[in-house]
Amino acid sequence: SAVISQKPSRDICQRGTSLTIQCQVDSQVTMMFWYRQQPGQSLTLIATANQGSEATYESGFVIDKFPISRPNLTFSTLTVSNMSPEDSSIYLCSVDPIGGNEQYFGPGTRLTVT
Amino acid sequence: EDKVVQSPLSLVVHEGDTVTLNCSYEVTNFRSLLWYKQEKKAPTFLFMLTSSGIEKKSGRLSSILDKKELFSILNITATQTGDSAIYLCAVYTSGTYKYIFGTGTRLKVLA
Repeated sequence: SAVISQKPSRDICQRGTSLTIQCQVDSQVTMMFWYRQQPGQSLTLIATANQGSEATYESGFVIDKFPISRPNLTFSTLTVSNMSPEDSSIYLCSVDPIGGNEQYFGPGTRLTVT
Repeated sequence: EDKVVQSPLSLVVHEGDTVTLNCSYEVTNFRSLLWYKQEKKAPTFLFMLTSSGIEKKSGRLSSILDKKELFSILNITATQTGDSAIYLCAVYTSGTYKYIFGTGTRLKVLA
């Protein structure tokens, strides 16, 4: 199993600013995922972050808007840049230590953009 | 394009009722199907299924996978108000090594 901490747990930000979300895992993992969950919607994968390589972004998400860092096997950050109210969502990081057997989620960050 | 669809989208029942939630999928390189319960922010893991016809059970919850017809069901018997949540189904594909989430089913159990 894996225990994940994520911060901040919530934030209210102004339009045009940026927020960096941190995700810390208690064990070394290769693959980390960042998801967005807009109000009333399911989880949408933003990108997969592997240590030592560039993040792989899903269709509709770009690095300029959602830059990701993965400096080591236990830590990652997601930045939401130049925010607009449409970015108001829950942002979740997750890890998949084995690959397809179980995915562990961080507690999530609830972002509100005004 | 890979997709995962859940039904119904929402459901309201009374305590003690039994509910069946459905998850159908069309993906390439299927490896596993997972069920999650989401009450606040973070989804919590319920079951992981890889083989057809083998029921996974945990208390009042059970789940089974049909790889021929490409679907899974999640059953909850004797529902309680604490079962109120969004139930998410996700399929892991070995080709792309990522999870594809379904639309979710919002369950509300009334006392």
